[in-house]
Amino acid sequence: AQTVTQSQPEMSVQEAETVTLSCTYDTSESDYYLFWYKQPPSRQMILVIRQEAYKQQNATENRFSVNFQKAAKSFSLKISDSQLGDAAMYFCAYDLGTYKYIFGTGTRLKVLA
Amino acid sequence: DTGVSQDPRHKITKRGQNVTFRCDPISEHNRLYWYRQTLGQGPEFLTYFQNEAQLEKSRLLSDRFSAERPKGSFSTLEIQRTEQGDSAMYLCASSQGTSYEQYFGPGTRLTVT
Repeated sequence: AQTVTQSQPEMSVQEAETVTLSCTYDTSESDYYLFWYKQPPSRQMILVIRQEAYKQQNATENRFSVNFQKAAKSFSLKISDSQLGDAAMYFCAYDLGTYKYIFGTGTRLKVLA
Repeated sequence: DTGVSQDPRHKITKRGQNVTFRCDPISEHNRLYWYRQTLGQGPEFLTYFQNEAQLEKSRLLSDRFSAERPKGSFSTLEIQRTEQGDSAMYLCASSQGTSYEQYFGPGTRLTVT
């Protein structure tokens, strides 16, 4: 079965500190796309960062970066210099090239002032 | 570009009633997706369209569910004879061309009493 596991239901981080959210997935495919989405309370999901499986270099978007370990099927998200606005549910997802996302159950991130 | 919009944002209905939701994708996005998100879970894929053609349907989409995208622009999702188990957030997303990056709407929260 194609699954995405986010083992941390909730995480907390002090403002300006760094936090890492974990994600593992299960697929036998070699080519796919990985995503982290942010869902603020009562607001729509927005894309944080994406990674193509064929690329070895880890993706980076400003304060957000990933640690992609293809062999371990791991795709963690690191948020540096955390801000109050980063507080949200974070979902890891992948697409096997079928235009159909498989999502994890999410990690709720709290940012403490 | 105003993003993906969904209407209504909230719907309360009695069990057994029919409901219809609308999604307007980003202009010129040829793919449109429907997902369902229950409390504490990540979104689950329901179906997707490429232009007006419905290309894939999840097993979650029972016979009581039907989706259309008649002119390749907006889409409707209808649920007939609603059940309490249908209570969820229904999310719509769209994407352009061969991109695997999906843009999500704010969702329609359905409550079946």
